[in-house]
Amino acid sequence: EIVLTQSPATLSLSPGERATLSCRASQSISSYLAWYQQKPGQVPSLLIYDASNRATGIPARFSGSGSGTDFTLTISSLEPEDFAVYYCQQRSNWPLTFGGGTKVEIK
Amino acid sequence: QVQLVESGGGVVQPGRSLRLSCAASGFTFSSYAMHWVRQAPGKGLEWVAVISYDGSNKYYADSVKGRFTISRDNSKNMLYLQMNSLRTEDTALYYCSREYCSSSSCYAIFDIWGQGTVVTVSS
Repeated sequence: EIVLTQSPATLSLSPGERATLSCRASQSISSYLAWYQQKPGQVPSLLIYDASNRATGIPARFSGSGSGTDFTLTISSLEPEDFAVYYCQQRSNWPLTFGGGTKVEIK
Repeated sequence: QVQLVESGGGVVQPGRSLRLSCAASGFTFSSYAMHWVRQAPGKGLEWVAVISYDGSNKYYADSVKGRFTISRDNSKNMLYLQMNSLRTEDTALYYCSREYCSSSSCYAIFDIWGQGTVVTVSS
């Protein structure tokens, strides 16, 4: 099973700041990584797939990068609605696995 | 609109069974692989199982293999999860989710999620 490790667990930032979230895989997953956002009390929503492709309707301030084992989700300038938990997920191997999440909170 | 609605959750004793259902609408259900993903209280996401668009292929997380069975009825636009030999660690919110497909390919990621149904396993 591929283990995804997200860091940091919590990121405390102010609106307008840049957020950089990391996801590291226990073995190479090529570019088969997705990112999701989950706001409190809501279902997850797809942000990024295959490391760098924004899903439909996702603002340009969200960007993804990386390949192999190291991936990054960047939010260029945090909006109030971006404070949430973010999960990465790999689709390289079965079983599909998620990272433990990074909470982006208001500083 | 595209919608997934889960049902069937509840409180059940360890060792007992429960069957979850997911009603799909607003899209061609028979064209999509479907998944179950769960989230324990206050915890992260855990993928549970997938079934191909025609039901011919199924995969499971190791934690549920041999106990859970995923199935679908394309004539009724329904997805199911039969859960047997339930354990306290199966307590979670269970989401039904659709696999994402672009115009050319499908990817084992999730673009549509239901609101979930809560399963509590407790004596």
